[in-house]
Amino acid sequence: GAGVSQTPSNKVTEKGKYVELRCDPISGHTALYWYRQSLGQGPEFLIYFQGTGAADDSGLPNDRFFAVRPEGSVSTLKIQRTERGDSAVYLCASSTGAYNEQFFGPGTRLTVL
Amino acid sequence: TQLLEQSPQFLSIQEGENLTVYCNSSSVFSSLQWYRQEPGEGPVLLVTVVTGGEVKKLKRLTFQFGDARKDSSLHITAAQPGDTGLYLCAGGKTSGSRLTFGEGTQLTVNP
Repeated sequence: GAGVSQTPSNKVTEKGKYVELRCDPISGHTALYWYRQSLGQGPEFLIYFQGTGAADDSGLPNDRFFAVRPEGSVSTLKIQRTERGDSAVYLCASSTGAYNEQFFGPGTRLTVL
Repeated sequence: TQLLEQSPQFLSIQEGENLTVYCNSSSVFSSLQWYRQEPGEGPVLLVTVVTGGEVKKLKRLTFQFGDARKDSSLHITAAQPGDTGLYLCAGGKTSGSRLTFGEGTQLTVNP
């Protein structure tokens, strides 16, 4: 079946601009996660949705970052006033919740110039 | 604070050699996953272990979860160039919670 998809695959933007990153989870997966991965490091947790609500947003670095999942399926990660330090690969994962088995999408590579 | 320590960070070996990657923590996890990631792609789930002392085998890969559920190891027998990639361990505190990842082990298997 179809896996997790993310769009765009690459996004280049200028410092100060607003960006939106989209995640389409595996059909039927109620849990959705956003992580950020810098070069040479493991992914770092940002936010977790159970259904439509954010169950844990403690990983969001500051109030420039916001995510929504209005219908309990597709999610959008929104970054305002982007900074060069926001450059990273943003990964989305989905899960049924069982045993923390999370299935990842290919990621969106964000570059802030 | 890095809750999961992976070692070694880099490993370069010849085809046919065996290797072990370690994932250690002072925290107890309810489950631990191992992922493999290739450049430009997301992590791909290899295995999940949930019971202390559990051993799982996936072809030439053997995964073990420590008795106290604080550590894990990945052993590859007779490594092949296709095993090259970034190996990540990740632990979950409770079912459905966030995963905490180690920094990864970059494995290169030379032909």
